[in-house]
Amino acid sequence: QVQLQESGPGLVKPSQTLSLTCTVSGGSISSGDQYWSWIRQPPGKGLEWIGYIFYSGSPYYNPSLKSRVTISVDTSKNHFSLKLSSVTAADTAVYYCAREHYDTLNFDYWGQGTLVTVSS
Amino acid sequence: QSALTQPPSVSGAPGQRVTISCTGSSSNIGAGYDVHWYQQLPGTAPKLLIYGTSNRPSGVPDRVSGSKSGTSASLAITGLQAEDEADYYCQSYDSSLRVVFGGGTKLTVL
Repeated sequence: QVQLQESGPGLVKPSQTLSLTCTVSGGSISSGDQYWSWIRQPPGKGLEWIGYIFYSGSPYYNPSLKSRVTISVDTSKNHFSLKLSSVTAADTAVYYCAREHYDTLNFDYWGQGTLVTVSS
Repeated sequence: QSALTQPPSVSGAPGQRVTISCTGSSSNIGAGYDVHWYQQLPGTAPKLLIYGTSNRPSGVPDRVSGSKSGTSASLAITGLQAEDEADYYCQSYDSSLRVVFGGGTKLTVL
C-alpha cells in the first residue's frame, strides 16, 4: 500500500520561501506510471492544484503559481519537494502531496496534509 | 473562480437520492476528458470516490455513481446515509490548465 507523508515547517514568515517534502513509502517514486503532485486547500475553501513532477524530473505548474513554484524529485530518497517563494497570507493552507495516475489522471493516493501558516 | 462549477451545497434525507453537478467547458469536460470525484470528510484528506467518469475504486459502494454529458458531469448517491455527509469535489484535465478542480459541494444529510 502506497503511503505519502508531508513534512516541513508549519509557520513561514511573509516574503520567505515555503519548503515541504513528501516522502513516499510502499512503492517506488521511479516506477514510471504516475505523476507526483502538490495540492493545497486554504482554510474553509476548495482544492487548488499547485503542480506535479514525473520521476525523470519534468515538472508542470499551475499557471497562476508558476512564477513562484519549484517542484523537484529525489529518487534516491524516494521523495519529492515543493518550494513556494515570496509567500503571503494568501498562501496559508493545508498542503497535500498526492499521486496522480499517469493514464487516468486521477489522484489515487494522498498524504494526510500539513497546515502551513504564513504569519510574522 | 474554479474552472469547474459545482453547487455550494446540496441536501437530502436518509434513504433519498442526491446528485451533484459539475459544469466545465470545451477545454476540459467538453473536450472528452474524464471526470473524477473525491469525498472529503472533515479534517481529512480527499478520498477518490469515482475515477474515469463512472468507475468506482474498490470499497466504494455501488449506490455511488458518476456520469457525463457534454460539458457537464454528475455524481449520484442513492440510499443516502449519515456517513455520506461530507464535501465532494470534481476534477478533470484541462488542455490549458492541466489539472482543474471544482469549487466543492457540501452534502448535508437532513
